[in-house]
This record gives sequence, C-alpha cells and structure tokens, in this order.
Amino acid sequence: EAGVTQFPSHSVIEKGQTVTLRCDPISGHDNLYWYRRVMGKEIKFLLHFVKESKQDESGMPNNRFLAERTGGTYSTLKVQPAELEDSGVYFCASSQERGLNTEAFFGQGTRLTVV
Amino acid sequence: AQSVSQHNHHVILSEAASLELGCNYSYGGTVNLFWYVQYPGQHLQLLLKYFSGDPLVKGIKGFEAEFIKSKFSFNLRKPSVQWSDTAEYFCAVNAWAGKSTFGDGTTLTVKP
Repeated sequence: EAGVTQFPSHSVIEKGQTVTLRCDPISGHDNLYWYRRVMGKEIKFLLHFVKESKQDESGMPNNRFLAERTGGTYSTLKVQPAELEDSGVYFCASSQERGLNTEAFFGQGTRLTVV
Repeated sequence: AQSVSQHNHHVILSEAASLELGCNYSYGGTVNLFWYVQYPGQHLQLLLKYFSGDPLVKGIKGFEAEFIKSKFSFNLRKPSVQWSDTAEYFCAVNAWAGKSTFGDGTTLTVKP
C-alpha cells in the first residue's frame, strides 16, 4: 500500500514567487493534515481537512497560504507570494479516523527554500 | 493549549551506550503520546505510541517509552544504541481530532 506522498521533495523559489505543494494521502483516508517545520523548530500544525472540508485551519500563518482538497483526495498548499520566513519543511499526514487513538501517517516532507 | 518540551536538542553517543530522551507535555486531559523518528532523507516514521493501558510501551527497533502521568512525561529509551539510530526524534501529543503538537526534536548522533 502506498504511503503519503508529497511533491516536490525540494523547491527553491525567489521571494515574491508562488509555490504549490502537493500531498497525496493514503487511499481511503478522509483526514489530511498539513504541518510545517521552520528553522529547526518544532513541527507546527497548519490545518486539517476532513474529506474536502477544512475542519481546522487555526495554524495557517496568514492569508498568503491557501490549502485546497478538491474532491477529498489529494491536497495542495499554495504560498503566494512567498516570503523568506516561509522557508522550512512542509509535512503532510493522513489518517483514517480522527480523535483520540488515531494514528496519522506522514509523508517525507517538502523542503521549501525562499531566497 | 498543549505544548511539548524535549529536553535535549542534540545528543551524541557512542555505539552500545544507553539512550534516554526526555519529553514533557502540558495538557490537563486525556492524551495520546507518540515518538516519531526521521532518518536522513526519509519521512517521519512512528517509533511507538501510547493510547491507554500499560504505561510502558515498546516500539520498533528496540525502543521503548514510559508514560508517567503524574510527571506529564513520556521519555524514550533504548538500552544499546547503534550507528543506524542516528536520526532526529520527535515527541508528539494528540489531545483530540488527530491534530498533534510536536516538540522541537532531538538530533541523535551515534558514533561508530
């Protein structure tokens, strides 16, 4: 069974440009999460989809970030326009259930560098 | 709000040494606890998890962790580390809805 996959694995863009990250969750997993790790700090929650609906987007840093999950399958996270402080590793995770006693499976992450 | 504190940012050990990585969390309610590992160039992998029951949890690759509720701790241990354990380790807490709060991570370097 395929795990959570993320594209691209690395992206280097200039400040002001737009970048779109993609996450393909494990098939059948309704719950999809985006996390971000900036500058060796903790991995921080960005948002949570249940199917195509945003369940919790409390961690989204600002309106330059837009996440979508059309059709409840893969998800994209767009950063527009990118700023230097957006550099970091963006992780996606998916789970079949939500709530306590739920295990989420992570992708390998996308390393974003804004120069 | 939940928070997770990992005590060591970087640990360097020789092979066969014993390992203990500290993790403390703050949250008053019921939680699930996890340790993840990220090997260089690879994705985050689950080492072990605590949901309920026996507070001593055994995971993959000889790792174990002990949940001490009174201390809000979930320390990771391994009796004898190997060079292949070199990686970054993350403690995480999940209070509900699958959303997890992570610590800063601890980089473990094992010298052959």
